[in-house]
Amino acid sequence: GEDVEQSLFLSVREGDSSVINCTYTDSSSTYLYWYKQEPGAGLQLLTYIFSNMDMKQDQRLTVLLNKKDKHLSLRIADTQTGDSAIYFCAEMRTGTASKLTFGTGTRLQVTL
Amino acid sequence: DTAVSQTPKYLVTQMGNDKSIKCEQNLGHDTMYWYKQDSKKFLKIMFSYNNKELIINETVPNRFSPKSPDKAHLNLHINSLELGDSAVYFCASSHSRTSSYNEQFFGPGTRLTVL
Repeated sequence: GEDVEQSLFLSVREGDSSVINCTYTDSSSTYLYWYKQEPGAGLQLLTYIFSNMDMKQDQRLTVLLNKKDKHLSLRIADTQTGDSAIYFCAEMRTGTASKLTFGTGTRLQVTL
Repeated sequence: DTAVSQTPKYLVTQMGNDKSIKCEQNLGHDTMYWYKQDSKKFLKIMFSYNNKELIINETVPNRFSPKSPDKAHLNLHINSLELGDSAVYFCASSHSRTSSYNEQFFGPGTRLTVL
């Protein structure tokens, strides 16, 4: 389909790991991204991965890319209450002049 | 502060009115965007300008007209507002449409409520 799909909601306890999943649509997408949206704010780029990579690690964040299945995941280690937000994956489809297609968003709730 | 700024932050208006939302970025970027986020948080691009030239125009009613007086500004004018236009509108900017990973920097959003 046309939509980039994510599960709507994820609840984790503080200190646990969070894994947010995304299924994208265009196997030729060049870059895939994870953005974070805190309440009442705009989106902030957390990390991105180039399509020829399988994994990227950046401090507490690990991105895994499975191109065969068009599956992207974001793992947040040692999740903190400040990580509570909505997380969007996005793809840059080829030939689209930098247009980003965003996923449906996953609301992460971190409990004590 | 260096940032993408939008005005107003909140806009409440009656159906049928015409309104504008302004966006400015002082990051030296040459590409700017308008996105619409609906009540379910679904985010979709509306327009993109590169150096004042329209490069992306999604299927948006022609009641929406973007205007870019210079590459630091991208305003959105909406005629004959409808209930379905109620949403949060985000402006964003990036360095260049040819840059490698094209990080887009977002403004804080304008919450439009049409009564």
